[in-house]
Amino acid sequence: QVQLVQSGAEVKKPGASVKVSCKVSGYTLTELSMHWVRQAPGKGLEWMGGFDPEDGETIYAQKFQGRVTMTEDTSTDTAYMELSSLRSEDTAVYYCVLVGATSWFDPWGQGTLVTVSS
Amino acid sequence: EIVLTQSPATLSLSPGERATLSCRASQSVSSYLAWYQQKPGQAPRLLIYDASNRATGIPARFSGSGSGTDFTLTISSLEPEDFAVYYCQQRSNWPWWAFGQGTKVEIK
Repeated sequence: QVQLVQSGAEVKKPGASVKVSCKVSGYTLTELSMHWVRQAPGKGLEWMGGFDPEDGETIYAQKFQGRVTMTEDTSTDTAYMELSSLRSEDTAVYYCVLVGATSWFDPWGQGTLVTVSS
Repeated sequence: EIVLTQSPATLSLSPGERATLSCRASQSVSSYLAWYQQKPGQAPRLLIYDASNRATGIPARFSGSGSGTDFTLTISSLEPEDFAVYYCQQRSNWPWWAFGQGTKVEIK
């Protein structure tokens, strides 16, 4: 059974960067398509980007292009999402999620709260 | 760019009642639509994929229907644990993997 375990909560100042990790267990990351979704307090789900196996590239939502970088360390089966130039509006819970056997988002990590505050 | 619009924003019902949630796409997504359930403080959970297929472990009271631009999630008889927020998602066109804004099912 595939499980995703994310790193702990972060508090950052405006203008800083944050890097959230997501450890995969029960499977090999190279065989999976990892995505990231965020949720601001009291708001809905927002897809940020993820790996497209058809193109072999990582694709990003237009809103985040130029500010987000998603990487993977296959030696440790850990995925990373780094968001730069943080502003207060980036305060949110960030989820990693895999494209599962159904070709949809399943399973999900437990979420990482990132707070941006001066 | 495809936009998913969910309605209503909030649905107030009692346990045992039937819930009908709608998701409308701004252009056809064929059957490339999924539904997720999210409870407070938890990550979302996949309920329905490809418009009408229940995910593993999802009770039969949850059903999905529709194709093209109009989709429905039906909960035949609400259990106390079903009061949550429900999101639809598409993967047919850019922006890939976009979500609707959600429908909250609350206890009346």
